[in-house]
Amino acid sequence: AQSVTQPDIHITVSEGASLELRCNYSYGATPYLFWYVQSPGQGLQLLLKYFSGDTLVQGIKGFEAEFKRSQSSFNLRKPSVHWSDAAEYFCAVGARTGRRALTFGSGTRLQVQP
Amino acid sequence: EADIYQTPRYLVIGTGKKITLECSQTMGHDKMYWYQQDPGMELHLIHYSYGVNSTEKGDLSSESTVSRIRTEHFPLTLESARPSHTSQYLCASSAEEAPYGYTFGSGTRLTVV
Repeated sequence: AQSVTQPDIHITVSEGASLELRCNYSYGATPYLFWYVQSPGQGLQLLLKYFSGDTLVQGIKGFEAEFKRSQSSFNLRKPSVHWSDAAEYFCAVGARTGRRALTFGSGTRLQVQP
Repeated sequence: EADIYQTPRYLVIGTGKKITLECSQTMGHDKMYWYQQDPGMELHLIHYSYGVNSTEKGDLSSESTVSRIRTEHFPLTLESARPSHTSQYLCASSAEEAPYGYTFGSGTRLTVV
């Protein structure tokens, strides 16, 4: 079964600083990989996804993520954080065969300081 | 506008009551899911459905039950609510041809007192 680890529970960055959120997964092959964002009291919104091909994927709101097979990682990055980026970020993995349901990490809460 | 709706958004209810959390989508998606999310913790899959009259239990054991009588409707029921059921419940759907193209509802925050 697949699993996802987000080692950072809480991260604080200054507005305008760069951001990297870590995600490691466990799966027998290359899974489908996702990053979602959740604002307080809201559902989850898809930021970006990796299915195959180029290992650097671009998403919405200026986010990008890089799939590194050798490290089983899919870290999320943004070069310059805006105050509106403060939210909870979830990494998720989906199997390529069998049950098509996402497995989520425990999330990283991002705070942005002015 | 195609969307997925969850009602109620917030619910405070006494122990022992029967409750139903509603989830409806207007996109014609075959696949629907219920996730349970505790504060600061990951989402756990508790139920999923691949179509009408198809329901399966997820990874996290749950005392709740679900039904899928119509494509657009996937309600979750707790026969007898307990404080341990206090959590946020998120519903999602996706199309057969795009199984991971999840659309999430805004969630129901349930508090059992």
